[in-house]
Amino acid sequence: EVQLVESGGGLVQPGRSMKLSCAASGFTFNNYDMAWVCQAPKKGLEWVATISYDGSSTYYRDSVKGRFTISRDNAKSTLYLQMDSLRSEDTATYYCARITTVPYYWYFDFWGPGTMVTVSS
Amino acid sequence: DTVLTQSPALAVSPGERVTISCRASESVSTGMHWYQQKPGQQPKLLIYGASNLESGVPARFSGSGSGTDFTLTIDPVEADDTATYFCQQSWNDPPTFGGGTKLELK
Repeated sequence: EVQLVESGGGLVQPGRSMKLSCAASGFTFNNYDMAWVCQAPKKGLEWVATISYDGSSTYYRDSVKGRFTISRDNAKSTLYLQMDSLRSEDTATYYCARITTVPYYWYFDFWGPGTMVTVSS
Repeated sequence: DTVLTQSPALAVSPGERVTISCRASESVSTGMHWYQQKPGQQPKLLIYGASNLESGVPARFSGSGSGTDFTLTIDPVEADDTATYFCQQSWNDPPTFGGGTKLELK
């Protein structure tokens, strides 16, 4: 059974840092690209970042470029999101999602339950 | 960025057929996917590639469309289908989501 479990969320002051983790199990982690998707309270979903299966390529939404870093440890089957210079608008639930790629497109086929990040003084 | 527009809410009775629409601001070919999110839960994949049913998802769910206009159909609707439904495109960068359609049962 595929499982993704996020951790590391909580309350953090503006300008500070936080690192999220996502422990994966039930599938061959190093065969899949992975992503972080966020959802502000009572709002819609926003893609945050993607990392390739081997960690060689990373992609970010414009609003987090230079502040967030996505990484992975395939030996530990764990995905990370280092968030620096946090802003109040980063307050959201952060989901870890597995990406399945087929010819011409890709999609998020499994999601973790999420971890809440609140940026407030 | 590709903007995906969905109607904010729908209300239907159990047993009826419901269609949820998603319109893209530019063509996304068949790179459109649909997710169901129940309150307090993570999103769940229903349809990928516009019309492909994800394994384990009831056949009551179906998807159609290409280019800029897409539809998720539930027929018949059941009480357990109360949720918010999001479309998402992966054809253009960056990937984007629709604002979601909240489905309520009468």
